[in-house]
Amino acid sequence: SQKIEQNSEALNIQEGKTATLTCNYTNYSPAYLQWYRQDPGRGPVFLLLIRENEKEKRKERLKVTFDTTLKQSLFHITASQPADSATYLCATPYSSASKIIFGSGTRLSIRP
Amino acid sequence: DAGVIQSPRHEVTEMGQEVTLRCKPISGHNSLFWYRQTMMRGLELLIYFNNNVPIDDSGMPEDRFSAKMPNASFSTLKIQPSEPRDSAVYFCASSSLGLYTFGSGTRLTVV
Repeated sequence: SQKIEQNSEALNIQEGKTATLTCNYTNYSPAYLQWYRQDPGRGPVFLLLIRENEKEKRKERLKVTFDTTLKQSLFHITASQPADSATYLCATPYSSASKIIFGSGTRLSIRP
Repeated sequence: DAGVIQSPRHEVTEMGQEVTLRCKPISGHNSLFWYRQTMMRGLELLIYFNNNVPIDDSGMPEDRFSAKMPNASFSTLKIQPSEPRDSAVYFCASSSLGLYTFGSGTRLTVV
């Protein structure tokens, strides 16, 4: 069956380091992949979209890669700050372009 | 634009009661989605509408759940009768060109 997984439930790193989060998918080939940030008590907020023909995309301190051979996306936050602490979710279209499914999320904590 | 607006923010109800959650999508977005989020199952898609028409309700858990979208600016998700296992945060999202905007959610507690 088609699955999207974020294997790390939680990640704790020191401020200033690069945080790297992983998203894997199996048994399908999405045309694109999205990353969202979710803060406690709020809905997910869209951050970045990367298409299958793009290897890498950047936005300020964020970088996303998309490896269709490994069926994996990596999400990097460079020079991490305590304000980056949140849950990060990946999402892909599923069975139709009109709906997306989400991974279970990785809770990132940046300690000062 | 005020974004996607959901009401109420919190709802506590007794088992067996009817619960109605409301959503106002962003004007001009032609797709609307209802998701449920729990610690155990993460963010699950319940149903989505395209141009006010229900397209896929395969995620709706059972017949106790129903959703409507009478016009482009309003949608409801109803649970009747509610059960404790329905306790979760319910999110509404609207999208345009594949980019989703979520509301702040309704935290439902069924006791």
